Amino acid sequence: DIQMTQSPASLSASLEEIVTITCKASQGIDDYLSWYQQKPGKSPQLLIYDATSLADGVPSRFSGSRSGTQYSLKISRPQVDDSGIYYCLQSYSTPPTFGAGTKLELK
Amino acid sequence: QVQLQQSGAELVKPGSSVKISCKASGYTFTSYDMHWIKQQPGNGLEWIGWIYPGNGNTKYNQKFNGKATLTADKSSSTAYMQLSSLTSEDSAVYFCARLGYNSGYYFDYWGQGVMVTVSS
Repeated sequence: DIQMTQSPASLSASLEEIVTITCKASQGIDDYLSWYQQKPGKSPQLLIYDATSLADGVPSRFSGSRSGTQYSLKISRPQVDDSGIYYCLQSYSTPPTFGAGTKLELK
Repeated sequence: QVQLQQSGAELVKPGSSVKISCKASGYTFTSYDMHWIKQQPGNGLEWIGWIYPGNGNTKYNQKFNGKATLTADKSSSTAYMQLSSLTSEDSAVYFCARLGYNSGYYFDYWGQGVMVTVSS
């Protein structure tokens, strides 16, 4: 199985910062990488697919990028509503595997 | 609009089985894979398997072979997951999610989740 190592596990950021969350794949995944936001008691919501494409209705302050086998989710000037847990998912090979999650708190 | 409406919370006894549902609307049910994902309290997300409602083909995470059985009813656009021989390790929230496709694959729509509690 492909391992997705996600970091950091948690972070606290101000509304003026740029927030970056990373996922490193244990092998190449050909940009079959998506990002999700989950709020307490809710289902995950798609933010980014194909590593860099913004899902419908997602604010442009969210963006995705890749460097080698490391994928990043960036939130520019986050809003309070961006608090939650963020997960990456690789769908290159079966079984699809998620990162362990990053809990984001905005202060 | 695409919606995945899951059945309600379940409280079940150890050793029993439970069948949860996911009713799809707003798209052609038989044209998209439906996946199932497990989330234990305070834990991350774990993929269980998928079913293609168009022909009933399924694929499972090896870890869930013998635990989960996926079916689909085309007439009602509903996907089902049965979990058997339940233990406390099966207490979790279970999501259904539609598989979207562009260049790659991703879960573009999710159900609201079903909490299954296994307790005597």
